[in-house]
Amino acid sequence: DAKTTQPTSMDCAEGRAANLPCNHSTISGNEYVYWYRQIHSQGPQYIIHGLKNNETNEMASLIITEDRKSSTLILPHATLRDTAVYYCIVRPDNYGQNFVFGPGTRLSVLP
Amino acid sequence: SAVISQKPSRDICQRGTSLTIQCQVDSQVTMMFWYRQQPGQSLTLIATANQGSEATYESGFVIDKFPISRPNLTFSTLTVSNMSPEDSSIYLCSVGFGLRPNEQFFGPGTRLTVL
Repeated sequence: DAKTTQPTSMDCAEGRAANLPCNHSTISGNEYVYWYRQIHSQGPQYIIHGLKNNETNEMASLIITEDRKSSTLILPHATLRDTAVYYCIVRPDNYGQNFVFGPGTRLSVLP
Repeated sequence: SAVISQKPSRDICQRGTSLTIQCQVDSQVTMMFWYRQQPGQSLTLIATANQGSEATYESGFVIDKFPISRPNLTFSTLTVSNMSPEDSSIYLCSVGFGLRPNEQFFGPGTRLTVL
């Protein structure tokens, strides 16, 4: 069973904020929310992760709802190079647990 | 961070043959993994490459089909054996630092086409 649900695709205008939603209604208390992205013909790239507090780094912000059943990845000023497939992954913080990639959201940043 | 290289970057192979893919990391890492990405699909974990011992395979993947070696902390190989057209995929190596890595670094992938 899929642990996360994401829209199949989204468009965003260049320079605007891209808000990518993810539903994870069955998330457990020890599970983190991770975001990766895969630009065409490249391996996936880590973006950000969080447990329950909102997180921000140089790439993006992660907003997690108080009940932790959903989250939003925000790219504050999307560029054409942000066009990629974005994966939302829920993973427990246990030894040996790996990343299970779903189909992700294909984000197209339009000029 | 880690810089990961894979060889070959791509190959076209005949049915029934085998191909060995190499993954080289520029620093010692704790965890190394192999993924498959079939055309138009997401990534699927094949196995965790364990140094000095047999790899740990995910459900649906077996050692006879995908033998893996990891002789040290910077290198691993994945062999795709007795290939069929269904094995046409991108094969990606990834690495992590520590036993519970928060971030995995992925190689550029090897694009395999089986005729």
